[in-house]
Amino acid sequence: QVQLQESGPGLVKPSETLSLTCTVSGDSISASYWSWIRQPAGKGLEWIGRLYTPGNTNYNPSLRGRVTISEDTSKNHFSLRLTSVTAADTAVYYCARALGDFRPFDSWGQGTLVTVSS
Amino acid sequence: SYELTQPPSVSVALGQTARITCGGRNIGSKLVHWYQQKPGQAPLVVISRDSTRPSGIPERFSGSNSGNTATLTINRAQAADEADYYCQVWDISTVFGGGTKLTVL
Repeated sequence: QVQLQESGPGLVKPSETLSLTCTVSGDSISASYWSWIRQPAGKGLEWIGRLYTPGNTNYNPSLRGRVTISEDTSKNHFSLRLTSVTAADTAVYYCARALGDFRPFDSWGQGTLVTVSS
Repeated sequence: SYELTQPPSVSVALGQTARITCGGRNIGSKLVHWYQQKPGQAPLVVISRDSTRPSGIPERFSGSNSGNTATLTINRAQAADEADYYCQVWDISTVFGGGTKLTVL
């Protein structure tokens, strides 16, 4: 049974970089497609980007230029970096798995709240 | 960019049928997934690839997709079905609908 766990700072200052890690157990990050998705309080879901082996990425065009998703296969985790954050980036951040292209997100982390504030 | 349009809210009487729509340009040519999200929880896929029910999802949930509209149908709605529902497709990137809050009266 696959499990995903997000980790990282819950508070980030404006203009700084948000960094989160998703640790995966029960599956290899080399075997599936791994996404970051966020949800501001009381609002809908926004896909940030995805990683699929080996080292391929796709990003939401609205965030391109600020976002980087990378992998560490030795630790079986993948990471999100979002630069130049503002209050608009305050959200619950989820990592999620899809088994392939056009497949649904069948496993999700519990989510982690990141607040952008000075 | 591709957009998906959902009604913000849908109400259904207990035991009746709820239909939640997801509109998008020629969405019938895409594969649509539906997620249920309850407060404080991560989303859960309830319909994949237009009409496939994942293991563990009640048969009351079904989906269809044609033309410019995909539909999630919940038969015999129960109190436990009260949640936010999101549709999702892959275009040049993954796109979610704005979500629909289902209220079971």
